[in-house]
Amino acid sequence: DIQMTQSPSSLSASVGDRVTITCRASQGIRSDLGWYQQKPGKAPKRLIFTASSLQSGVPSRFSGSGSGTEFTLTISSLQPEDFASYYCLQHNSYPWTFGQGTKVEIK
Amino acid sequence: EVQLVESGGALVQPGGSLRLSCAASGFTFSDYWMHWVRQAPGKGLVWVSRINNDGSGTWYADSVKGRFTISRDNPQKTLYLQMSSLRAEDTAVYHCARGLQYQSTDSWGQGTLVTVSS
Repeated sequence: DIQMTQSPSSLSASVGDRVTITCRASQGIRSDLGWYQQKPGKAPKRLIFTASSLQSGVPSRFSGSGSGTEFTLTISSLQPEDFASYYCLQHNSYPWTFGQGTKVEIK
Repeated sequence: EVQLVESGGALVQPGGSLRLSCAASGFTFSDYWMHWVRQAPGKGLVWVSRINNDGSGTWYADSVKGRFTISRDNPQKTLYLQMSSLRAEDTAVYHCARGLQYQSTDSWGQGTLVTVSS
């Protein structure tokens, strides 16, 4: 199975901050990676697909980069509605695997 | 509007069985591969199973293989997860999600809670 190591597990940031979350795959997964945002009690929402493509309707302050084994989700200027948990998902091979998640909290 | 609505979650005793359903609307159900993903209380997301668009191919996480069966009824636009030999560690919110072949899931349901406890 492919292991996805996501970091940090949590972070505190202020509105307007630039935030970066990283996922590392245990083996190469090309660009077969998505990023999801989840708020408490809600369904996950896809932000980024194929590592760097912005999902329709998602604000442009979200961006993704990387390929192979190293991936990054960046929020260029954190907004109040962005405080949530974020997960990466590899869909290169089964079983699909998620990162452990990053909880973004208000500083 | 794409909608995925799960149902069937309940409190069940260890060793028991349960069938979850996911009703789809707002898109051509038979075009999409469908997945089940679960989330234990306070924990992260875990992929459980997937079925291809015509139901001819399935895949399972090792933790549920031999105990869970995914299926679909395309005319009824419904996805199922038959769960048997349930264990305490199966306690979770179960989400259904859709995706195209070779792509990650782009829409998810709100989930249904399964609690395995005596």
